[in-house]
Amino acid sequence: DTAVSQTPKYLVTQMGNDKSIKCEQNLGHDTMYWYKQDSKKFLKIMFSYNNKELIINETVPNRFSPKSPDKAHLNLHINSLELGDSAVYFCASSQVASYTDTQYFGPGTRLTVL
Amino acid sequence: RKEVEQDPGPFNVPEGATVAFNCTYSNSASQSFFWYRQDCRKEPKLLMSVYSSGNEDGRFTAQLNRASQYISLLIRDSKLSDSATYLCVVNGSGAGSYQLTFGKGTKLSVIP
Repeated sequence: DTAVSQTPKYLVTQMGNDKSIKCEQNLGHDTMYWYKQDSKKFLKIMFSYNNKELIINETVPNRFSPKSPDKAHLNLHINSLELGDSAVYFCASSQVASYTDTQYFGPGTRLTVL
Repeated sequence: RKEVEQDPGPFNVPEGATVAFNCTYSNSASQSFFWYRQDCRKEPKLLMSVYSSGNEDGRFTAQLNRASQYISLLIRDSKLSDSATYLCVVNGSGAGSYQLTFGKGTKLSVIP
């Protein structure tokens, strides 16, 4: 009965590869997010989708492409992985795209690029 | 000035101690303020929202000073289970108002 789930939990891959991380929420929320937490522990927003539509697209390389097949899923595809992409990626969701709304985070995907 | 700045930490306190964390934010138009807690190698979880009048939840008290753009979190009677990183979070403004900006966090270790 996990509220926000991500797969895989760990991902180790070589530079130049393409990989995807999947996220699903069973809370019935309309809004989903991707965050990156780097080695310095800063948690930064990357993307946000509201009802399958992109509403936030921060300055991230276009090697990162989110895709929302339905409002319960927000996947993250990364092309041509680089060493600097190594980080923990968190998916989150909130009921609506409102600043008062609590965001619920998934357990994170720890990506290591060798 | 960073968008959200927190005490550098780490804070190492004995069980039962009272500890206070401070946070300043740069966006005067921010309207929502939160404290999130992140355990080691886990996801952030909402600890409490912060209201203008200040609010309390058990041993935790949050205060907001809009004039100084300052938020605080007070933990009384610290427990070992309070050991975690505490993240100060504020929302943006304008088109990004639903976007949350996280501070770097302050690490708390409660020692027996």
